[in-house]
Amino acid sequence: QLRLQESGPGLVKPSETLSLTCTVSTDSISSGNYYWGWIRQPPGKGLEWIGSIYHSGSTYYSPSLKSRVIMSVDTSKNQFSLKLNSVTAADTAVYFCARHVRETYSFDCWGRGTLVTVSS
Amino acid sequence: DIQMTQSPSSLSASVGDRVTITCQASQDISNYLNWYQQKPGKAPKLLIYDASNLETGVPSRFSGSGSGTDFTFTISSLQPEDIATYYCQHYDNLPPGITFGPGTKVDIK
Repeated sequence: QLRLQESGPGLVKPSETLSLTCTVSTDSISSGNYYWGWIRQPPGKGLEWIGSIYHSGSTYYSPSLKSRVIMSVDTSKNQFSLKLNSVTAADTAVYFCARHVRETYSFDCWGRGTLVTVSS
Repeated sequence: DIQMTQSPSSLSASVGDRVTITCQASQDISNYLNWYQQKPGKAPKLLIYDASNLETGVPSRFSGSGSGTDFTFTISSLQPEDIATYYCQHYDNLPPGITFGPGTKVDIK
């Protein structure tokens, strides 16, 4: 059973950089059939896709966040990461990592999510 | 950019009722439409992909249909464990991007 686990600080100060890592277990992140994505959900609100990355390092980002997002992948550790810079309170959300099927662009396996609060 | 709308935003139904949620795209998206269930405090779960294909392990009371701009998600007989918020999700090629609908909250009457 594929497992994804988000990790990183739960509190980030305004204007600083939010950094999260997703560790993938029981399957290789280098599988050619999948991208790996980040999605967030502000408290009480809907889902917002942030971006997705392929094991080769190829990325695509949400146009609304593109200027502040960097995603990377470390195949040796079976991990992928998210950096979101210049954060504000509006970036407070539960951040999910998920596996993303190439053919259907559906997210078929999700981490449990981690709450990141932006506050001084 | 393609905009996705969902209706209703919330609904209450009785156990055993047939429940229908619609998702509308601002332009033709073929069948590039997926549906998710999210229970409170949990990650979303994929139910339907490519508009009408049931994800492995998902109960058959869930179904999806539609193509182009109008899509429907149906629970044929609502069960207590179906209390959740349901989201549609679209993938766009040019530029590449993914959009979730605003969600429909389903409660038991």
